Amino acid sequence: GENVEQHPSTLSVQEGDSAVIKCTYSDSASNYFPWYKQELGKRPQLIIDIRSNVGEKKDQRIAVTLNKTAKHFSLHITETQPEDSAVYFCAAPGAAGNKLTFGGGTRVLVKP
Amino acid sequence: DGGITQSPKYLFRKEGQNVTLSCEQNLNHDAMYWYRQDPGQGLRLIYYSQIVNDFQKGDIAEGYSVSREKKESFPLTVTSAQKNPTAFYLCASSRYSGRGDEQFFGPGTRLTVL
Repeated sequence: GENVEQHPSTLSVQEGDSAVIKCTYSDSASNYFPWYKQELGKRPQLIIDIRSNVGEKKDQRIAVTLNKTAKHFSLHITETQPEDSAVYFCAAPGAAGNKLTFGGGTRVLVKP
Repeated sequence: DGGITQSPKYLFRKEGQNVTLSCEQNLNHDAMYWYRQDPGQGLRLIYYSQIVNDFQKGDIAEGYSVSREKKESFPLTVTSAQKNPTAFYLCASSRYSGRGDEQFFGPGTRLTVL
């Protein structure tokens, strides 16, 4: 099955700086890579996703890049704000169906 | 967001008891999923269902059971065979079961074994 590893597990940044979270996956058949944001005690919510036919996607201050050859993808948050503080999860589906395997999560703390 | 509901929000169970967690969606989604989240960890798939009257085991199905008798409902039973059931349980659904379809999550049920 799919195996997803996520780094770092915690990330502390100063407000206004950038944050980068990296994930690697094992199944070359994976073709969809979502990123979820989870605030404390709340449900995960999709913030951005990328499909394997593109290498980069942006949505305002958030961007995701994908390197299919190396089997890794990254989340980039620019001009971080205190409300960006949360846990972020990457995921990948593997070869069959829409089963998602999640990374272990990155706790991001944006210091004012 | 409001299309997937889970109840109860908090659930306390004595050891040896079975408990059932409710998950309902009014999004007309075909596929539904159950995940378990432990403190400081990612989500792990327990069971998933692609269509009514069909479901498959995920990565950690032992000690759990599900049913999918109606499209909008996918209840999860945590049985006494589950050795460490204390966790946050999240239900999700997607419009279709194919790869790349966004999964929407419910608000979760926090289960504590006393």
